[in-house]
Amino acid sequence: GAVVSQHPSWVICKSGTSVKIECRSLDFQATTMFWYRQFPKQSLMLMATSNEGSKATYEQGVEKDKFLINHASLTLSTLTVTSAHPEDSSFYICSAPSGLAGYNEQFFGPGTRLTVL
Amino acid sequence: GQNIDQPTEMTATEGAIVQINCTYQTSGFNGLFWYQQHAGEAPTFLSYNVLDGLEEKGRFSSFLSRSKGYSYLLLKELQMKDSASYLCAVLDSNYQLIWGAGTKLIIKP
Repeated sequence: GAVVSQHPSWVICKSGTSVKIECRSLDFQATTMFWYRQFPKQSLMLMATSNEGSKATYEQGVEKDKFLINHASLTLSTLTVTSAHPEDSSFYICSAPSGLAGYNEQFFGPGTRLTVL
Repeated sequence: GQNIDQPTEMTATEGAIVQINCTYQTSGFNGLFWYQQHAGEAPTFLSYNVLDGLEEKGRFSSFLSRSKGYSYLLLKELQMKDSASYLCAVLDSNYQLIWGAGTKLIIKP
């Protein structure tokens, strides 16, 4: 199956700093990637849809100026958490649909655990 | 609004069978997914149903009834490693995945 990687796997940062998370599709091209956030014992919450070559689409309640998304190529999307605060501590997961005809499976990256002190 | 319901938690015994139900109300339907998620890890794909009926894949089977807005995931011959959260997700008319809150499955020896 298709493989999606994320980097870093975990990061600890001080409040007020910015953190960049990379999401790569390793063996397929992804014109669309999705960014999710998951708090402990809760389900995935879609934050935004990243589109290659155009602006990301953010879900209601997600600050676009705080969570900067760049999808510069067909295999890479980045999420930058700007001026991170402790409440941004969460598990961030990206996914990309395989795009196979008639089958819309999404492949997930391994996730990035962010802890803001 | 769009809504997906599944039980919060279930407990079963090793070697037994368990059925996890999912009901949904979404704007349009382009398929239903089941994912398994172990604590601290990303979800992994289990099954995809877009037509009514039962799809069997080894110890796991998934059933769909579109008219009833209902699906279930059936796990047979339970193993301790099956302890995880099981997420039901529906692809709506905009091809956006709508996620359930997940069912935490606890397997006891």
